Amino acid sequence: NAGVTQTPKFQVLKTGQSMTLQCAQDMNHNSMYWYRQDPGMGLRLIYYSASEGTTDKGEVPNGYNVSRLNKREFSLRLESAAPSQTSVYFCASSVLAGGTTDTQYFGPGTRLTVL
Amino acid sequence: AQSVTQLDSQVPVFEEAPVELRCNYSSSVSVYLFWYVQYPNQGLQLLLKYLSGSTLVKGINGFEAEFNKSQTSFHLRKPSVHISDTAEYFCAVSHHGDNNNDMRFGAGTRLTVKP
Repeated sequence: NAGVTQTPKFQVLKTGQSMTLQCAQDMNHNSMYWYRQDPGMGLRLIYYSASEGTTDKGEVPNGYNVSRLNKREFSLRLESAAPSQTSVYFCASSVLAGGTTDTQYFGPGTRLTVL
Repeated sequence: AQSVTQLDSQVPVFEEAPVELRCNYSSSVSVYLFWYVQYPNQGLQLLLKYLSGSTLVKGINGFEAEFNKSQTSFHLRKPSVHISDTAEYFCAVSHHGDNNNDMRFGAGTRLTVKP
Protein backbone atom coordinates (compact mmCIF):
# COMPACT_ATOMS: atom_id res chain seq x y z
CA ASN A 1 0.00 0.00 0.00
CA ALA A 2 1.24 3.46 -0.89
CA GLY A 3 -0.92 5.08 1.80
CA VAL A 4 -1.57 8.77 1.06
CA THR A 5 0.19 10.21 -1.97
CA GLN A 6 0.41 13.85 -3.02
CA THR A 7 1.52 15.54 -6.22
CA PRO A 8 3.46 17.63 -6.87
CA LYS A 9 6.12 17.62 -4.14
CA PHE A 10 7.26 21.16 -4.93
CA GLN A 11 5.70 24.02 -6.86
CA VAL A 12 6.55 27.66 -7.52
CA LEU A 13 3.77 29.95 -8.74
CA LYS A 14 3.51 33.60 -9.61
CA THR A 15 0.83 35.72 -7.97
CA GLY A 16 -2.48 35.22 -9.77
CA GLN A 17 -1.67 31.82 -11.26
CA SER A 18 -3.86 28.83 -10.53
CA MET A 19 -3.03 25.25 -9.71
CA THR A 20 -4.48 22.05 -8.33
CA LEU A 21 -2.86 19.90 -5.68
CA GLN A 22 -3.69 16.23 -6.03
CA CYS A 23 -4.17 13.70 -3.24
CA ALA A 24 -5.02 10.02 -3.36
CA GLN A 25 -5.31 7.28 -0.75
CA ASP A 26 -5.47 3.53 -1.24
CA MET A 27 -6.66 2.55 2.24
CA ASN A 28 -10.41 2.71 1.46
CA HIS A 29 -10.79 5.53 3.97
CA ASN A 30 -13.97 7.56 4.08
CA SER A 31 -12.71 10.94 5.31
CA MET A 32 -10.07 13.10 3.68
CA TYR A 33 -8.54 16.43 4.71
CA TRP A 34 -6.40 19.28 3.47
CA TYR A 35 -4.16 21.17 5.91
CA ARG A 36 -1.61 23.92 5.56
CA GLN A 37 1.46 24.10 7.79
CA ASP A 38 3.10 27.43 8.51
CA PRO A 39 6.08 28.08 10.81
CA GLY A 40 4.99 28.67 14.40
CA MET A 41 1.34 27.93 13.64
CA GLY A 42 1.11 24.17 13.40
CA LEU A 43 -1.40 22.64 11.02
CA ARG A 44 -4.62 24.38 10.12
CA LEU A 45 -7.52 22.65 8.44
CA ILE A 46 -8.53 24.11 5.08
CA TYR A 47 -11.29 21.72 3.95
CA TYR A 48 -12.37 18.21 4.72
CA SER A 49 -14.60 15.58 3.19
CA ALA A 50 -16.36 13.21 5.55
CA SER A 51 -17.47 10.95 2.71
CA GLU A 52 -17.57 10.77 -1.06
CA GLY A 53 -19.71 13.58 -2.40
CA THR A 54 -19.48 15.85 0.65
CA THR A 55 -17.06 18.64 1.51
CA ASP A 56 -16.98 21.17 4.35
CA LYS A 57 -14.95 24.21 5.27
CA GLY A 58 -12.32 24.05 7.96
CA GLU A 59 -10.55 26.80 9.84
CA VAL A 60 -8.94 28.62 6.86
CA PRO A 61 -10.93 27.96 3.64
CA ASN A 62 -10.66 31.37 1.96
CA GLY A 63 -8.87 31.31 -1.39
CA TYR A 64 -9.26 27.55 -1.85
CA ASN A 65 -11.69 25.11 -3.43
CA VAL A 66 -11.82 21.34 -3.17
CA SER A 67 -13.24 18.41 -5.08
CA ARG A 68 -13.85 14.91 -3.76
CA LEU A 69 -13.58 13.22 -7.12
CA ASN A 70 -14.28 9.72 -5.77
CA LYS A 71 -13.55 7.82 -2.59
CA ARG A 72 -9.79 7.74 -3.33
CA GLU A 73 -9.09 11.28 -4.52
CA PHE A 74 -9.42 14.72 -2.95
CA SER A 75 -7.98 17.73 -4.78
CA LEU A 76 -7.26 21.26 -3.58
CA ARG A 77 -7.41 24.16 -6.04
CA LEU A 78 -5.96 27.63 -5.76
CA GLU A 79 -7.79 29.78 -8.32
CA SER A 80 -5.63 32.91 -7.99
CA ALA A 81 -2.55 32.29 -5.88
CA ALA A 82 -1.35 34.90 -3.40
CA PRO A 83 1.97 35.14 -1.50
CA SER A 84 0.02 34.46 1.72
CA GLN A 85 -0.66 30.98 0.39
CA THR A 86 3.04 30.10 0.48
CA SER A 87 3.02 27.09 2.77
CA VAL A 88 3.42 23.33 3.04
CA TYR A 89 0.19 21.54 2.23
CA PHE A 90 -0.68 18.16 3.70
CA CYS A 91 -3.42 15.80 2.69
CA ALA A 92 -4.67 13.25 5.22
CA SER A 93 -7.27 10.52 5.43
CA SER A 94 -9.07 8.57 8.14
CA VAL A 95 -11.26 5.51 8.25
CA LEU A 96 -14.52 6.84 9.60
CA ALA A 97 -17.09 8.95 7.78
CA GLY A 98 -17.24 11.82 10.22
CA GLY A 99 -16.35 11.83 13.89
CA THR A 100 -13.34 13.08 15.77
CA THR A 101 -11.74 10.03 17.41
CA ASP A 102 -10.09 8.75 14.30
CA THR A 103 -6.37 8.50 13.56
CA GLN A 104 -5.41 10.55 10.54
CA TYR A 105 -2.84 9.30 8.02
CA PHE A 106 -0.81 11.98 6.31
CA GLY A 107 0.82 12.31 2.93
CA PRO A 108 4.38 13.61 2.51
CA GLY A 109 3.30 17.17 1.72
CA THR A 110 3.54 19.71 -1.11
CA ARG A 111 5.83 22.70 -0.63
CA LEU A 112 4.26 25.67 -2.45
CA THR A 113 5.92 29.04 -2.97
CA VAL A 114 3.96 31.96 -4.43
CA LEU A 115 6.12 34.81 -5.69
CA ALA B 1 -13.76 26.36 19.57
CA GLN B 2 -11.09 24.28 21.22
CA SER B 3 -7.46 25.40 21.13
CA VAL B 4 -4.06 23.92 21.94
CA THR B 5 -0.95 25.52 23.39
CA GLN B 6 2.43 23.84 23.21
CA LEU B 7 4.49 25.66 25.76
CA ASP B 8 7.94 25.06 24.26
CA SER B 9 8.78 25.71 20.63
CA GLN B 10 12.16 23.97 20.94
CA VAL B 11 13.50 21.39 23.36
CA PRO B 12 17.16 20.37 23.14
CA VAL B 13 18.17 17.32 25.14
CA PHE B 14 21.08 14.90 25.32
CA GLU B 15 20.77 11.30 24.25
CA GLU B 16 19.49 8.92 26.96
CA ALA B 17 18.08 11.82 29.01
CA PRO B 18 14.37 12.00 29.88
CA VAL B 19 12.14 14.48 28.08
CA GLU B 20 8.73 16.07 28.62
CA LEU B 21 6.93 18.02 25.91
CA ARG B 22 4.14 20.13 27.32
CA CYS B 23 0.65 20.59 25.92
CA ASN B 24 -2.32 22.47 27.35
CA TYR B 25 -5.75 22.75 25.80
CA SER B 26 -8.81 24.88 26.29
CA SER B 27 -12.31 23.64 25.71
CA SER B 28 -15.73 24.01 27.28
CA VAL B 29 -16.64 20.39 26.55
CA SER B 30 -14.97 17.00 26.83
CA VAL B 31 -12.15 16.39 24.41
CA TYR B 32 -10.12 13.76 22.63
CA LEU B 33 -6.35 14.35 22.65
CA PHE B 34 -3.59 13.28 20.27
CA TRP B 35 0.16 13.50 19.82
CA TYR B 36 1.59 13.31 16.31
CA VAL B 37 5.27 13.24 15.26
CA GLN B 38 6.75 14.66 12.07
CA TYR B 39 10.19 13.47 11.02
CA PRO B 40 12.17 15.72 8.65
CA ASN B 41 10.58 16.02 5.20
CA GLN B 42 7.75 13.65 6.05
CA GLY B 43 4.07 13.84 6.90
CA LEU B 44 2.72 13.43 10.42
CA GLN B 45 2.16 10.07 12.06
CA LEU B 46 0.24 9.22 15.21
CA LEU B 47 2.22 8.61 18.41
CA LEU B 48 -0.72 8.08 20.76
CA LYS B 49 -4.22 9.25 21.56
CA TYR B 50 -6.52 9.60 24.54
CA LEU B 51 -10.20 8.90 23.95
CA SER B 52 -11.41 7.68 27.36
CA GLY B 53 -10.49 5.39 30.25
CA SER B 54 -7.03 5.31 31.81
CA THR B 55 -5.46 8.74 31.86
CA LEU B 56 -1.99 7.32 31.16
CA VAL B 57 -1.67 6.47 27.50
CA LYS B 58 1.22 4.53 26.01
CA GLY B 59 2.24 5.02 22.41
CA ILE B 60 4.83 3.93 19.91
CA ASN B 61 8.58 4.30 20.30
CA GLY B 62 8.43 4.32 24.12
CA PHE B 63 6.43 7.54 24.44
CA GLU B 64 3.59 8.02 26.90
CA ALA B 65 1.27 10.88 27.83
CA GLU B 66 -0.95 11.65 30.78
CA PHE B 67 -4.33 13.33 30.52
CA ASN B 68 -4.93 15.72 33.42
CA LYS B 69 -8.43 17.12 33.26
CA SER B 70 -8.06 19.52 36.19
CA GLN B 71 -4.97 21.10 34.64
CA THR B 72 -6.25 20.71 31.05
CA SER B 73 -2.94 19.19 30.07
CA PHE B 74 -1.70 16.27 28.01
CA HIS B 75 2.09 16.23 28.39
CA LEU B 76 4.22 13.80 26.40
CA ARG B 77 7.10 11.98 28.10
CA LYS B 78 9.88 9.56 27.30
CA PRO B 79 12.28 8.27 29.98
CA SER B 80 15.30 7.95 27.69
CA VAL B 81 15.51 9.56 24.24
CA HIS B 82 17.48 8.45 21.20
CA ILE B 83 19.02 10.44 18.37
CA SER B 84 16.26 9.05 16.14
CA ASP B 85 13.62 10.84 18.25
CA THR B 86 14.74 14.15 16.76
CA ALA B 87 11.57 15.46 15.12
CA GLU B 88 8.73 17.92 15.50
CA TYR B 89 5.90 16.90 17.83
CA PHE B 90 2.34 18.18 17.58
CA CYS B 91 -0.41 18.03 20.17
CA ALA B 92 -3.96 18.04 18.81
CA VAL B 93 -7.49 18.18 20.24
CA SER B 94 -10.97 17.42 19.00
CA HIS B 95 -14.37 17.58 20.64
CA HIS B 96 -16.67 14.92 21.97
CA GLY B 97 -19.84 14.78 19.94
CA ASP B 98 -18.54 16.74 16.98
CA ASN B 99 -19.30 15.22 13.66
CA ASN B 100 -17.31 17.71 11.67
CA ASN B 101 -13.81 16.21 11.74
CA ASP B 102 -12.44 19.47 13.15
CA MET B 103 -9.15 18.76 14.85
CA ARG B 104 -7.01 21.63 16.14
CA PHE B 105 -3.22 21.32 16.26
CA GLY B 106 -0.71 23.11 18.43
CA ALA B 107 2.18 25.06 16.92
CA GLY B 108 4.59 22.17 17.46
CA THR B 109 7.66 21.47 19.59
CA ARG B 110 10.94 20.74 17.87
CA LEU B 111 12.82 18.08 19.84
CA THR B 112 16.54 17.92 19.12
CA VAL B 113 18.47 15.02 20.65
CA LYS B 114 22.19 15.62 20.87
CA PRO B 115 24.87 12.93 21.24
